[in-house]
Amino acid sequence: AQSVTQPDIHITVSEGASLELRCNYSYGATPYLFWYVQSPGQGLQLLLKYFSGDTLVQGIKGFEAEFKRSQSSFNLRKPSVHWSDAAEYFCAVGAGQTGANNLFFGTGTRLTVIP
Amino acid sequence: DGGITQSPKYLFRKEGQNVTLSCEQNLNHDAMYWYRQDPGQGLRLIYYSQIVNDFQKGDIAEGYSVSREKKESFPLTVTSAQKNPTAFYLCASSHPSRGRTEAFFGQGTRLTVV
Repeated sequence: AQSVTQPDIHITVSEGASLELRCNYSYGATPYLFWYVQSPGQGLQLLLKYFSGDTLVQGIKGFEAEFKRSQSSFNLRKPSVHWSDAAEYFCAVGAGQTGANNLFFGTGTRLTVIP
Repeated sequence: DGGITQSPKYLFRKEGQNVTLSCEQNLNHDAMYWYRQDPGQGLRLIYYSQIVNDFQKGDIAEGYSVSREKKESFPLTVTSAQKNPTAFYLCASSHPSRGRTEAFFGQGTRLTVV
């Protein structure tokens, strides 16, 4: 069965510092992987996705993520964090073409950015 | 602009009442979904619909009901049988026939039992 682990519940970084949010997944086949961001009281916005090909994927707002099959990981990175990046981040794994009913979410990582 | 509209943004319900949350999309997506979000628990799937007039239970369907009479609309009713309905509800849509699983989300409805 699919599952997603985001080991960090809350991370605090200084503005301008680099960021890495961890995501580990469990899935028997090649996964479809996603990172979403959620501002307080809002819906989820897709940051980036991995389906196949280049394992380093670029997303919106300067984010990138790297798929490492050997480590079952899909960590999200940003070289320099802005105060507006403060939000909750969700990693998700999808079971291919069967639709979002087979989209499994992690429990999220809340990012705080300090001046 | 295309998107998913959920209404209302905030909803208050008295115990024993049914309430209906609205979700409309103009993305021409075939599939629509309802998720429930509780603090520290991520998102859990309530119901989903792959085509009009068809829907399936998700992981936590008890106490909820849905209908899919139009492609654009997928309302969720929270019934009095749902014992702990206070939560943030998210509607999403996707287009599985394009071979992708990614979901697009509405802005959510926060339901509070008073």
